[in-house]
Amino acid sequence: DAGITQSPRHKVTETGTPVTLRCHQTENHRYMYWYRQDPGHGLRLIHYSYGVKDTDKGEVSDGYSVSRSKTEDFLLTLESATSSQTSVYFCAISDRAGSGNTIYFGEGSWLTVV
Amino acid sequence: AQSVTQPDIHITVSEGASLELRCNYSYGATPYLFWYVQSPGQGLQLLLKYFSGDTLVQGIKGFEAEFKRSQSSFNLRKPSVHWSDAAEYFCAVGGGGADGLTFGKGTHLIIQP
Repeated sequence: DAGITQSPRHKVTETGTPVTLRCHQTENHRYMYWYRQDPGHGLRLIHYSYGVKDTDKGEVSDGYSVSRSKTEDFLLTLESATSSQTSVYFCAISDRAGSGNTIYFGEGSWLTVV
Repeated sequence: AQSVTQPDIHITVSEGASLELRCNYSYGATPYLFWYVQSPGQGLQLLLKYFSGDTLVQGIKGFEAEFKRSQSSFNLRKPSVHWSDAAEYFCAVGGGGADGLTFGKGTHLIIQP
């Protein structure tokens, strides 16, 4: 299994509070991703990073921000959590773009916003 | 824009029977195609991938998939399913860029005894 650790694995938070999810990798991979998974929607890309301090928006980035100050850590922040952000969040990593760009997933973080 | 369609939300198969899960993609260039499996409460595990070459690719757990460019399809098959194959299956497409993969909505596989 790819060395990906997500924390926290489960969290319940109140509407309007900020929340930060952490993804830590031990593979020294360049590319990191945050996806959310919702019933009937599959997985949708929130943000991704192609290097330290290099990030870009994905399909569903509104209400989320990210930071990557070190190769191994990719943080996802919900600036003011809403009930629509109740979801399962997956971090993923990849060693390179182009041919052979296989993405490996973490175990997920279950977030409930009440 | 790229997209993936998995037409079957749920599929029920008897244990020991053959399986085919459908996947159709839309992509403007040569696609990279993947199948992932997800057990309840777990992350996604890569089953197999297609980048180029032989259009029939073998994966883990006895799965295979066939890339058909003319039909824009990448269907997953297994000759004989086991109860442990019950899970959610996701097809995904990418161009090999830094922006990751686009996923289908998944097919939930139920195995009947």
